[in-house]
Parts: sequence; structure tokens; C-alpha cells
Amino acid sequence: GENVEQHPSTLSVQEGDSAVIKCTYSDSASNYFPWYKQELGKGPQLIIDIRSNVGEKKDQRIAVTLNKTAKHFSLHITETQPEDSAVYFCAASHGSSNTGKLIFGQGTTLQVKP
Amino acid sequence: KAGVTQTPRYLIKTRGQQVTLSCSPISGHRSVSWYQQTPGQGLQFLFEYFSETQRNKGNFPGRFSGRQFSNSRSEMNVSTLELGDSALYLCASSLGSTGANEQFFGPGTRLTVL
Repeated sequence: GENVEQHPSTLSVQEGDSAVIKCTYSDSASNYFPWYKQELGKGPQLIIDIRSNVGEKKDQRIAVTLNKTAKHFSLHITETQPEDSAVYFCAASHGSSNTGKLIFGQGTTLQVKP
Repeated sequence: KAGVTQTPRYLIKTRGQQVTLSCSPISGHRSVSWYQQTPGQGLQFLFEYFSETQRNKGNFPGRFSGRQFSNSRSEMNVSTLELGDSALYLCASSLGSTGANEQFFGPGTRLTVL
């Protein structure tokens, strides 16, 4: 069935370093891939997304890459700051169909040490 | 623009009771999806409503139900509560015309079943 695997489950970096989180999806029909950041006591916040007709997308310190052949996509955060500390979730959906159902990865807890 | 709002934010119920949670989407959004978030299972899709019709449903028992009103506001109901229903219930809204629309989450309702 539909599945999204996310790694690592925890990630600790020094402030200023880069962080990379990787996800693999099982359903080849998936073509929309959002990333969410969830802080304690809050709902997930959409930080960046990518569609299957694009290989890479950047927004300031955040970038996402997509390899449709290998069915994996990654989140890259450069120059990490303590406020980047949170749980990050990747997700996948059938972007072309009439449903917004998202399949989420298990989440990565990112800790940025000052 | 106001974000997605959910009420109540916190609920404590006992086994066997029922509960109704409410979600008001972003103005102009016609799709509302519901997710259950638990430490063990992560974020799991419950159902999605678009223009007052359920257009997708996850793998949850029939005790979980929902509806959407003509103003796009949505409610979900859980009957005969079980201890395992304790979770953060999140709703997300999107424009909803296709599955690739960005989804924005509310802060969630924390349900505790005693």
C-alpha cells in the first residue's frame, strides 16, 4: 500500500551546519510532496513543497530535491539556527487526482545546538 | 487572512462517550481533511470533505465520522470513545480543486480519553 519512509528519526547539528532529511515513497503515482515543520503545541506548518515536474526547489535556506526514478525526495536546510529546532514531516499525495489525502513520513526531530 | 481554527483546543472524555470536534477552514478554501496524530502511529489520514461531500476516507472504524457544511466548516465525531482514541486531531484546509493544492493545518484538538 501507500507508504512514506523518513530518515533519520532524530538529527542533531551545530548551529550554522546543514541538515538533510530523506524520504522514500512507494506509490509511483504520487506527484506532490510537501514538507511540514511542527513545533511543540502547534499544528504542522507547510514550509516548502515540490511537484513532480520539478527536480529542485529553493526558498532561502531551505531546498527540496526530488528523484522520481528512485522515488525519493530530500529536505536540505543550510545555515541552521536554533529556531529551526522542531519535528519535520515529509508527505506525498496524488497531486493529479481528486483528493488531498497526504501520506506522511514518521517525522524527524531536528535539534540545532547553539 | 485568518488561518485554520479548531475548537475546542483540549478535551477530556471518558470511555464510551462521544465527542464532536470543529474546524473552520481558511476563507475561500473548500476542502477540509482530518488527521489523527499519535506518538506511535504518527499522522494518519481520517477523511476529506470537499463541497459538503466526503471524497476520501482513511482506514478508521465507523465510529469516526464527519461532515461539512455549506460554509465549508467541518465537524468530526467519534462515538463510543476508546482509550486508544487519545490523540491530537488536526484538520487541514485547501482550495481543494486538485490534490496538489497546498494544505494548511490548524493547531489541533488534543483529546484525552480516560
